[in-house]
Amino acid sequence: SQTIHQWPATLVQPVGSPLSLECTVEGTSNPNLYWYRQAAGRGLQLLFYSVGIGQISSEVPQNLSASRPQDRQFILSSKKLLLSDSGFYLCAWARDILTLHFGNGTRLTVT
Amino acid sequence: GEDVEQSLFLSVREGDSSVINCTYTDSSSTYLYWYKQEPGAGLQLLTYIFSNMDMKQDQRLTVLLNKKDKHLSLRIADTQTGDSAIYFCAESPKGDSSYKLIFGSGTRLLVRP
Repeated sequence: SQTIHQWPATLVQPVGSPLSLECTVEGTSNPNLYWYRQAAGRGLQLLFYSVGIGQISSEVPQNLSASRPQDRQFILSSKKLLLSDSGFYLCAWARDILTLHFGNGTRLTVT
Repeated sequence: GEDVEQSLFLSVREGDSSVINCTYTDSSSTYLYWYKQEPGAGLQLLTYIFSNMDMKQDQRLTVLLNKKDKHLSLRIADTQTGDSAIYFCAESPKGDSSYKLIFGSGTRLLVRP
């Protein structure tokens, strides 16, 4: 069966510090991968998606970036965090249009 | 562009029916979805409806789709305290092979005992 792992579960980082969130998927190959962000009082915003290794599409311009160094690994990064980067970050994968499978999320607080 | 809107909050008494509403803008969406998010967790697919359907029923869940008004609703019959969660409406843009979904802001459902 397929599983998706996201870590860390919680993170507190100072403004200006770097960020690296990692997501891995097991039990499937060549999935589409996604990073979503859920900010307090706001909906779920698609940040990046990838349909293959090294292929990244950005939905929202900002100081975050994403990379897919391996087929089932998706990384969200920032060189310098802003206060506005606080939120709940969700990784997800899909092999078809019917179901998006989400990880348990990382709660990021930038102080 | 694509946009999905939902009311932010709904409170019902246990045993009553809940109706969560959603409006969307992309009339060419192939599928429309309802996802559920429990506290501190990711989202899980509850149900989906193909765009050429008007209604879909799955146990306590009924989805109604009004394509003319671009309105989607989720009815939960005999709502239980375990149904308390955030419910997200989502659409899949037609012709988009990335399978990405556009989500609404979520409706927080509170079920009172």
